[in-house]
Amino acid sequence: GAVVSQHPSWVICKSGTSVKIECRSLDFQATTMFWYRQFPKQSLMLMATSNEGSKATYEQGVEKDKFLINHASLTLSTLTVTSAHPEDSSFYICSARNPAGAGKGTDTQYFGPGTRLTVL
Amino acid sequence: LAKTTQPISMDSYEGQEVNITCSHNNIATNDYITWYQQFPSQGPRFIIQGYKTKVTNEVASLFIPADRKSSTLSLPRVSLSDTAVYYCLVGPQTGANNLFFGTGTRLTVIP
Repeated sequence: GAVVSQHPSWVICKSGTSVKIECRSLDFQATTMFWYRQFPKQSLMLMATSNEGSKATYEQGVEKDKFLINHASLTLSTLTVTSAHPEDSSFYICSARNPAGAGKGTDTQYFGPGTRLTVL
Repeated sequence: LAKTTQPISMDSYEGQEVNITCSHNNIATNDYITWYQQFPSQGPRFIIQGYKTKVTNEVASLFIPADRKSSTLSLPRVSLSDTAVYYCLVGPQTGANNLFFGTGTRLTVIP
């Protein structure tokens, strides 16, 4: 249980194009999902918190107009990197919060496998 | 969110027990301690979570002293496949709070 998927697992795009990454909770409903970014040899950095049916909350320094987040259902959140540039190349990871009392363990976050974005 | 401090790296031989300690001096009353494992180019994987004393599952044990200012993740008889980065995080269990990932501990298991 508590499986989170991401699609695609990797993507290569040209500078200036937009890329959409999907995050799905496969066996539980997630009212809250999170998006992280991880550069090589570094730790995960939270980008934004995505709440179903409402606007995402972005961390300081993260451009909301560049990283568009949509959480249209309890099992799907999307991150769109608009007008991507080479410096946006990174490993993007989503997580979904699995509330306590759902029979799937304690209230914690379960992470997707990540999406490797390379912008040429 | 309480800040955590872990050793940057550790080496261990196969078959040994590995203990990774995390300091969280500013842990709040309602904070839980959660450990994640991350392999290269993969998302973090939940290992164990606890509030006090000892928690054990099929993968690891988590020891938390009475003052809760530190915690120790214990991995029994590690294998080469346990080579990964291990993150200790502290935060409220409920409330959909975000997680602050520190530097983590890079464990290297040596044959």
